[in-house]
Amino acid sequence: NAGVMQNPRHLVRRRGQEARLRCSPMKGHSHVYWYRQLPEEGLKFMVYLQKENIIDESGMPKERFSAEFPKEGPSILRIQQVVRGDSAAYFCASSLSAGGGNTEAFFGQGTRLTVV
Amino acid sequence: AQSVAQPEDQVNVAEGNPLTVKCTYSVSGNPYLFWYVQYPNRGLQFLLKYITGDNLVKGSYGFEAEFNKSQTSFHLKKPSALVSDSALYFCAVRALWGSGAGSYQLTFGKGTKLSVIP
Repeated sequence: NAGVMQNPRHLVRRRGQEARLRCSPMKGHSHVYWYRQLPEEGLKFMVYLQKENIIDESGMPKERFSAEFPKEGPSILRIQQVVRGDSAAYFCASSLSAGGGNTEAFFGQGTRLTVV
Repeated sequence: AQSVAQPEDQVNVAEGNPLTVKCTYSVSGNPYLFWYVQYPNRGLQFLLKYITGDNLVKGSYGFEAEFNKSQTSFHLKKPSALVSDSALYFCAVRALWGSGAGSYQLTFGKGTKLSVIP
């Protein structure tokens, strides 16, 4: 059973370009979370999605950032018109459920975005 | 709002000695508590969790953690440290599902860098 798969592992973008980060959850998981890790800091929640629905995007910047989790295919975190401050590691996690005992989130290896 | 504090940025311990990585939390109601480990340039690996039941939780790689409700702590422990345990450790908390907005969000501490000295 493959874990959470994120690609690309490393992404370099020039200021003003778009960045698209992909996440395939673990098999059978329908809950996906995106977190951002800035240097020397812990992870900060960005958004929680279930298939075709955004449940909570309270951690997402109001502009330039969007996320989706379509019925078919991976979850996508999209950052438009990137700026240097967007440089960070972006982690995707998935879980079997959002409540109850199987709540632990399994993380992907992350996408390290560098904006030059 | 929920929060996690890891008071030590770095913990150094000699190989073979016991280790403790500290974590305190704040959350409305009963918490779900987690420990994750991050190796350089890698994602987070789940170590263990506390949801309910015994206060002493056993996890992967010989780690365990003790939940103390009165002190709102969830310290990570291991009886005998290995050099390969050197990594960044994150404590995380979330509120019980259904207890309000954000009850599925994991809130992480800033991490504690563990260095095990041969």
